[in-house]
Amino acid sequence: KNEVEQSPQNLTAQEGEFITINCSYSVGISALHWLQQHPGGGIVSLFMLSSGKKKHGRLIATINIQEKHSSLHITASHPRDSAVYICAVSGSNFGNEKLTFGTGTRLTIIP
Amino acid sequence: SQTIHQWPATLVQPVGSPLSLECTVEGTSNPNLYWYRQAAGRGLQLLFYSVGIGQISSEVPQNLSASRPQDRQFILSSKKLLLSDSGFYLCAWSTYGNQPQHFGDGTRLSIL
Repeated sequence: KNEVEQSPQNLTAQEGEFITINCSYSVGISALHWLQQHPGGGIVSLFMLSSGKKKHGRLIATINIQEKHSSLHITASHPRDSAVYICAVSGSNFGNEKLTFGTGTRLTIIP
Repeated sequence: SQTIHQWPATLVQPVGSPLSLECTVEGTSNPNLYWYRQAAGRGLQLLFYSVGIGQISSEVPQNLSASRPQDRQFILSSKKLLLSDSGFYLCAWSTYGNQPQHFGDGTRLSIL
């Protein structure tokens, strides 16, 4: 079993729909990261959170430490949101934040 | 502002040839540096990380090595490439402490 599991693996939705991507982890962490990988391969860090909820524009990330679960939500989805969304966790090694990654969720938004 | 440069963007190499991928960071000092690989259809895997000049930690046994000759320069190398070294290689940096990582644009390596 992978230390970081994401669901669904693939998601196709119509423009405007509310999107939820889930991430569960089985190890102790210091933070959870949500990353976005564009078709060309470049990766952008969307959120880093260790508790509660963060919002940036139409994107919302939540984490429940007790349940070891995080969700990434996209409101009013748009075709430009089409990308692979990757959940990653950083361990508690002081001074070095190695990331362990989920396998990603491929999101396709249809106009 | 900080920027990260990674090159080349694409590379096609024959089996058995050497490899050198370079990554440089601007606008920050003493960053943590990372090399990741993403094999086709698979998730990202940490290959090496460095917390300072000359300090390299390897995460998985492999055919590759890394070096950090300068504070903001990270190099991924191989003496003899294998077919299994094909993939998408990403360099990243972060500041000390639990901070977001910032990724380069990646190098797509194909071994023939």
